[in-house]
Amino acid sequence: AQRVTQPEKLLSVFKGAPVELKCNYSYSGSPELFWYVQYSRQRLQLLLRHISRESIKGFTADLNKGETSFHLKKPFAQEEDSAMYYCALSVWGGYQKVTFGTGTKLQVIP
Amino acid sequence: DAGVTQSPTHLIKTRGQQVTLRCSPKSGHDTVSWYQQALGQGPQFIFQYYEEEERQRGNFPDRFSGHQFPNYSSELNVNALLLGDSALYLCASSQASGGPFTSTDTQYFGPGTRLTVL
Repeated sequence: AQRVTQPEKLLSVFKGAPVELKCNYSYSGSPELFWYVQYSRQRLQLLLRHISRESIKGFTADLNKGETSFHLKKPFAQEEDSAMYYCALSVWGGYQKVTFGTGTKLQVIP
Repeated sequence: DAGVTQSPTHLIKTRGQQVTLRCSPKSGHDTVSWYQQALGQGPQFIFQYYEEEERQRGNFPDRFSGHQFPNYSSELNVNALLLGDSALYLCASSQASGGPFTSTDTQYFGPGTRLTVL
């Protein structure tokens, strides 16, 4: 069975400080990893996925298969980054099943 | 494209009642997944529908059932409601026919239906 762990419920950083949201997963196969974000009063939306290797809104995430981690990073936090962040793992067996972590609330202090 | 839409927005029911939630997928999507998000938790996978059939199911009892229509819209039914069923129910659509590790399998979420069981 797959599992996603986000150890921090709340992460508070000052504006301009670096951000790292932690995500660890357990799955024996080759999963796909995602970060979803939910801004206040908005729906859950995809931030980035590991296969894209993109930087979205200044955020990056690298899949470390050795450490089974997919931490989300941003060098300089902005106030508009304050939101709930969910790490998710997708596996395929002819169909897709997505498992979410419990989420980390990022609070950027002005 | 309005994206994924869900109805109703809010719902209040009493224990033992039955409820039906509805979801319309994003244009071009053929797969609908349902999630339950309890307060303070991440979304938990209930089941996924593709070609009008349930393809995969999470760890939820048979009280939770669903349906997908030819136009790809979907319903989630919950029977014999319990207090613990109170949660935000999310619908997500994708185009799973593209297979894994393709851009088409990204799930797009609706705004959710807030169910309160009294």
